[in-house]
Amino acid sequence: DSGVTQTPKHLITATGQRVTLRCSPRSGDLSVYWYQQSLDQGLQFLIQYYNGEERAKGNILERFSAQQFPDLHSELNLSSLELGDSALYFCASSVSAGGTHNIQYFGAGTRLSVL
Amino acid sequence: DAKTTQPPSMDCAEGRAANLPCNHSTISGNEYVYWYRQIHSQGPQYIIHGLKNNETNEMASLIITEDRKSSTLILPHATLRDTAVYYCIVRSINNAGNMLTFGGGTRLMVKP
Repeated sequence: DSGVTQTPKHLITATGQRVTLRCSPRSGDLSVYWYQQSLDQGLQFLIQYYNGEERAKGNILERFSAQQFPDLHSELNLSSLELGDSALYFCASSVSAGGTHNIQYFGAGTRLSVL
Repeated sequence: DAKTTQPPSMDCAEGRAANLPCNHSTISGNEYVYWYRQIHSQGPQYIIHGLKNNETNEMASLIITEDRKSSTLILPHATLRDTAVYYCIVRSINNAGNMLTFGGGTRLMVKP
């Protein structure tokens, strides 16, 4: 158990809908990262938040947004869903924003199926 | 961050050492080598990282060549539970965002 909690574990929805994925980081971790893993694209970094502020952005679609709340949990919002958004979404957390020894610990993921 | 090359798959007998190679010939002086693994759609798990010296922890050993252009992750006594995809990642210490760039990895199959 990494200490990172993601809910829900599974999500099934229809095209055009909006969903929210939730992540609780390890106790004491200030950074949260979101990654997407699809069959054809592999594991891809989406976005990072550090202590409530956006820190780094990857190839995140405009239909996707995220935020980190004062209690440090984070939510990833996916809207106008398309079939291609079906994937595993992982959240990771780390103690600080960066640095060599700043190890990321991953949650178990949320499996999103868009029908 | 430097690009890495790993064999797509490898087999290992249970109880034997698993040696997973990674080529990172374009690595620069401020880039570290990290290893993560992913067991069947679970979240990636950190294994070990290093700059130029060999490193060992309770999970594995990391051997980095003197020119730093390649490295080997060693699982000393592989078990069936070590069957996973292993990712070698090179990341700059100047990577302020700390994001990880995953490649295709090596699918290690440990066989009884």
